[in-house]
Amino acid sequence: GESVGLHLPTLSVQEGDNSIINCAYSNSASDYFIWYKQESGKGPQFIIDIRSNMDKRQGQRVTVLLNKTVKHLSLQIAATQPGDSAVYFCAENIAGYSTLTFGKGTMLLVSP
Amino acid sequence: DAGITQSPRHKVTETGTPVTLRCHQTENHRYMYWYRQDPGHGLRLIHYSYGVKDTDKGEVSDGYSVSRSKTEDFLLTLESATSSQTSVYFCAISESRGLSNEQFFGPGTRLTVL
Repeated sequence: GESVGLHLPTLSVQEGDNSIINCAYSNSASDYFIWYKQESGKGPQFIIDIRSNMDKRQGQRVTVLLNKTVKHLSLQIAATQPGDSAVYFCAENIAGYSTLTFGKGTMLLVSP
Repeated sequence: DAGITQSPRHKVTETGTPVTLRCHQTENHRYMYWYRQDPGHGLRLIHYSYGVKDTDKGEVSDGYSVSRSKTEDFLLTLESATSSQTSVYFCAISESRGLSNEQFFGPGTRLTVL
């Protein structure tokens, strides 16, 4: 079947480079955000989250930045590895609501 | 996959036939969700459940029904499958406590309607 990765914006990097993936969210009332990673043929996997009272959060090799003024999220991956190749997408949530709204995603391709 | 299984993992069926997909969790999470994922559309919510026998519609609920008779199981039914329902279907679960609502996903079911 057709891969979910088709029709997506693609970021191609070399192994060892830092990668930055961007996401524009839609609702100014959103106050909780998540980044997911989806490898081919698998379900989305939680990477990192951030609440709206923060503008930066760091995990292992990943950093999420939140700019509420322009409704923009970014995911930075340090020292990108071939195993990081996947589709990455953001999701937003409004406090009190139990559903997430997902972005369409960006495909990250890492060359050895 | 956070104690979430989906069955079947792959199914091919014909237009007009009923299809039921099953999601099973071992995490005792309150919330369960069904999404479909299609090229160019990302993940779209079909239905979700906030407890046993408590369900609500998502943005693409037409042609689908759900049931949740036990905490651990959430069923998605296509009463009469159409080719437009060919997709990859994901189940997700969430505790949804307070301010955080991270969802954890199952491995997916690839459904082809001929």
